[in-house]
Amino acid sequence: EVQLLESGGGLVQPGGSLKLACVASGFTFDIHAMTWVRQAPGKGLQWVSSITIGGHGAYHSDSVEGRFTISRDNSKNTLYLHMNSLRPDDTAMYYCGKSVDIAVTNYIDHWGQGTLVTVSS
Amino acid sequence: DIQMTQSPSTLSASVGDRVTITCRASQSITTWLAWYQQKPGKAPKLLIYEASSLESGVPSRFRGSGSGTEFTLTISSLQPDDFATYYCQQYNRYAHTFGQGTKLEIK
Repeated sequence: EVQLLESGGGLVQPGGSLKLACVASGFTFDIHAMTWVRQAPGKGLQWVSSITIGGHGAYHSDSVEGRFTISRDNSKNTLYLHMNSLRPDDTAMYYCGKSVDIAVTNYIDHWGQGTLVTVSS
Repeated sequence: DIQMTQSPSTLSASVGDRVTITCRASQSITTWLAWYQQKPGKAPKLLIYEASSLESGVPSRFRGSGSGTEFTLTISSLQPDDFATYYCQQYNRYAHTFGQGTKLEIK
């Protein structure tokens, strides 16, 4: 059974940093692209970042470019999202998602349960 | 970026009704479109991929169609479990974009 378990969320002040992690199990992690998607309270889904299977290709939305960095450690079956210079509008539930195959340009077939990030003073 | 526009934003219907949700892309995405269902406090769940392919385990009352810029999700006979929010998503580009969502409510 595919499982994605996010962690690392919490309350942080504006300008602060957080590192989210997503531990994967139940599938061969290193042959699937991975993605982070967020959802602000009461709002819709927003793509944040995606990463290729080897980790050399990383893509970020304009709203987080230069502040967030997606990475992965295939030896630990773990996806990360390093978040710096956090702003109140980054407040959201952050989900990790597994691509159906190696391509970052493919759909997400499994989602984690999410980790909540709150940016507030 | 490719913009995705869903309509309606809210849809009120009854058990047994047939409903249709529309998603329009700002440029052609061929059939690189997925539909997800999300219930309150839960992660999204994949229903349809490649515009019309039904994900394993999803009931056959869900049907996706379309290509290019216009797509639809049809639920043929609403069941109580179907009242949720539905999102379309394009994956033609690495910058996946989602529609704003359609909340399906009980009339």
